[in-house]
Amino acid sequence: DTAVSQTPKYLVTQMGNDKSIKCEQNLGHDTMYWYKQDSKKFLKIMFSYNNKELIINETVPNRFSPKSPDKAHLNLHINSLELGDSAVYFCASSTGLAGVETQYFGPGTRLLVL
Amino acid sequence: AQSVTQLGSHVSVSEGALVLLRCNYSSSVPPYLFWYVQYPNQGLQLLLKYTTGATLVKGINGFEAEFKKSETSFHLTKPSAHMSDAAEYFCAVSQPTNDYKLSFGAGTTVTVRA
Repeated sequence: DTAVSQTPKYLVTQMGNDKSIKCEQNLGHDTMYWYKQDSKKFLKIMFSYNNKELIINETVPNRFSPKSPDKAHLNLHINSLELGDSAVYFCASSTGLAGVETQYFGPGTRLLVL
Repeated sequence: AQSVTQLGSHVSVSEGALVLLRCNYSSSVPPYLFWYVQYPNQGLQLLLKYTTGATLVKGINGFEAEFKKSETSFHLTKPSAHMSDAAEYFCAVSQPTNDYKLSFGAGTTVTVRA
């Protein structure tokens, strides 16, 4: 069974559209994350949730809205998509927020905005 | 403030040769240090990490890294490269003064020549 899964794997859409990416983990972890990997493969954290509570909210446009319906799920909704949103988005999870925990990453969602 | 510098965006090695990937960090306090690997079209996977204790850390797939506080380095090595080691490698740090957020280096692409 996949530990951290994301859907869809690929997403091609037009500028201005609204889209969602879903993430689920079956590891029993309390903490989940969203990362953005740009075309140069640079990885940057966007959000983190612990027990459904928002912990980290980096300087991300408010067009991006994460939602955690339960500890096992963290979805990412993006409004009014822009060309610059094209990237690979990774979901990850860990047991906690003490900084020493291993983060387990999903396979990524490749978003292309045309 | 913290930052991670990976020296060399591309490293090419012959099969059976030593793999050496360099990582230096800047941090006001001793950080936690990680190496992650990303195989093509996949998510990141932990290779190894240093938190406390022994400064030489052994990881999966024959990799190891040594934390050198005096040099603020955490270089990754593998004595003998295998074709399957071709991937993107990321050094990352976390520390309490940055809410334990994982900050990644720019990555090093490793190619292995037959």
